Amino acid sequence: AQKITQTQPGMFVQEKEAVTLDCTYDTSDPSYGLFWYKQPSSGEMIFLIYQGSYDQQNATEGRYSLNFQKARKSANLVISASQLGDSAMYFCAMREGFAGNQFYFGTGTSLTVIP
Amino acid sequence: DGGITQSPKYLFRKEGQNVTLSCEQNLNHDAMYWYRQDPGQGLRLIYYSQIVNDFQKGDIAEGYSVSREKKESFPLTVTSAQKNPTAFYLCASSIFGDRGRRGELFFGEGSRLTVL
Repeated sequence: AQKITQTQPGMFVQEKEAVTLDCTYDTSDPSYGLFWYKQPSSGEMIFLIYQGSYDQQNATEGRYSLNFQKARKSANLVISASQLGDSAMYFCAMREGFAGNQFYFGTGTSLTVIP
Repeated sequence: DGGITQSPKYLFRKEGQNVTLSCEQNLNHDAMYWYRQDPGQGLRLIYYSQIVNDFQKGDIAEGYSVSREKKESFPLTVTSAQKNPTAFYLCASSIFGDRGRRGELFFGEGSRLTVL
């Protein structure tokens, strides 16, 4: 079974609107971390936001927030007030056990912001 | 500035040749990783290392080799045994996470390998 599933290969959003990128995960470990990365066309991976499995509140970092629904095993990324520079690939990832050796990545969602 | 440096950024290889991709970090991170990314796909783990002189195979280690002689360095060799080496390669490092620390991956800018 896939550890991380991103079901939206491509998404479009109007500039200044909000957009939600979906991510579901699969683990039986009670301790895990969830991460979102942005990959522009240049290729580097940029860390955006983190949610630990024991965190009581949803994580927020500027225009990024994470809609963490533990029972549903979902960790959706919400980008508010989209900007043209947000056009990129977005990857959801999970680390099982906080000190685990492996990060599991989804297949990514390509986001295009329309002027 | 602290970070991860990968070189070369672009590399062309003839079939049958071994090539080595360099990865250096000055973040004082214990763990280092090599990932492969193919077009339209996510990242797949090739090798990782938690400490000097120790490393483990990831999901797609066949045809690749690594060394970890120094904490700062984790070079990847793509050997002639790798049947389809054309891809984008990303090196990363991290601290060990715990309940109070994220332990996120820090990435280099990547190396794009093309086999001619």
